[in-house]
Amino acid sequence: GAVVSQHPSWVICKSGTSVKIECRSLDFQATTMFWYRQFPKQSLMLMATSNEGSKATYEQGVEKDKFLINHASLTLSTLTVTSAHPEDSSFYICSARNGVSGYTFGSGTRLTVV
Amino acid sequence: DAKTTQPPSMDCAEGRAANLPCNHSTISGNEYVYWYRQIHSQGPQYIIHGLKNNETNEMASLIITEDRKSSTLILPHATLRDTAVYYCIVSDPPLGTGNQFYFGTGTSLTVIP
Repeated sequence: GAVVSQHPSWVICKSGTSVKIECRSLDFQATTMFWYRQFPKQSLMLMATSNEGSKATYEQGVEKDKFLINHASLTLSTLTVTSAHPEDSSFYICSARNGVSGYTFGSGTRLTVV
Repeated sequence: DAKTTQPPSMDCAEGRAANLPCNHSTISGNEYVYWYRQIHSQGPQYIIHGLKNNETNEMASLIITEDRKSSTLILPHATLRDTAVYYCIVSDPPLGTGNQFYFGTGTSLTVIP
């Protein structure tokens, strides 16, 4: 149980375009989901906390207008990277609080902006 | 921000026990210790968590000191597939309100044949 599905697993996009990443809790409801970014050989950096039915809370230094988060249902949160540039290329990971063991993580999305 | 300190890297011989330490001297009374691992280019995988008592599951054992300022994750018989980065995280109880879950730098464990 407590599976989080993240889609797509990888995406390549042109500079200036937007990319949407989906995070779904498959067998449990998640009122809170989290989005992380990970650069090569670095740890996961929390970007924002996604709350169902309300605005996301962003960590200091994360541009909320660039990283749009929508959490419209108890099983789905989306992260849209707007006007992506090469420096946005990274590994994006979502997680959801499962109420049992803590947090379940998605398998990640490798974004490459060319 | 991360509240834990871990050695950056460790090696372990295949078949031997891997003991991964973690310091969390500022842990508060209701915070749990969680351990996750991340195999290259995958999402973190849950291993174990605990509050103050030692815990064991099919993957590992967690030993928490009496003052709760440090803990050790034990993989009893390491295999090559246990090569990963291991993260020790201090956070709210699993059934809590969902405060942020911050990762430190973790320990890169290499299991050697």
